[in-house]
Amino acid sequence: DSGVTQTPKHLITATGQRVTLRCSPRSGDLSVYWYQQSLDQGLQFLIQYYNGEERAKGNILERFSAQQFPDLHSELNLSSLELGDSALYFCASSVATGESDTQYFGPGTRLTVL
Amino acid sequence: AQKVTQAQTEISVVEKEDVTLDCVYETRDTTYYLFWYKQPPSGELVFLIRRNSFDEQNEISGRYSWNFQKSTSSFNFTITASQVVDSAVYFCALSEFDTNAGKSTFGDGTTLTVKP
Repeated sequence: DSGVTQTPKHLITATGQRVTLRCSPRSGDLSVYWYQQSLDQGLQFLIQYYNGEERAKGNILERFSAQQFPDLHSELNLSSLELGDSALYFCASSVATGESDTQYFGPGTRLTVL
Repeated sequence: AQKVTQAQTEISVVEKEDVTLDCVYETRDTTYYLFWYKQPPSGELVFLIRRNSFDEQNEISGRYSWNFQKSTSSFNFTITASQVVDSAVYFCALSEFDTNAGKSTFGDGTTLTVKP
């Protein structure tokens, strides 16, 4: 158990809908990362937050948004869902952004868009 | 643009064999980070190592070792005396230096199967 929790584990929804994925980092970790893993695109970095502030942005679609709250949990919002958004979404956390910091991954949320 | 190439799509070895997973990267940055991650059949991702572009020393951790060669833009991963539990997909990744593990570019992964 990495100590990072993600809810829900599975999500099935329809095209055009909006969903929210939640990530709770390990206790004390300030940095949260979101990744998408799909058959078509492979593993992709989406976005990183550090202590509530956006730190880095990857290939995140405009339909997607994220935030990190004062209690450090993070949410990834996906809207106007398309079939191609079906994927495994991972979040990871680390203490900070230092070179010796290990990333710990959650179990992922599997999103299926029908 | 950054690019990571893992040319070996699948590798199959017999237990106790040594195996090397290749990773070649492209970047215009002079400073960057390189990573390896493991994804076992259960699906979770496991962080294995981060290496900064200043440090070309080889790294060894138990049966795992990493060889970073800036001259050839390679960051190869060797498992010595492989075990069935090493069966997994292994991803190599490259990130911008100032964002640490943020803004990473991943390779397509190498599926390693270790047979008993």
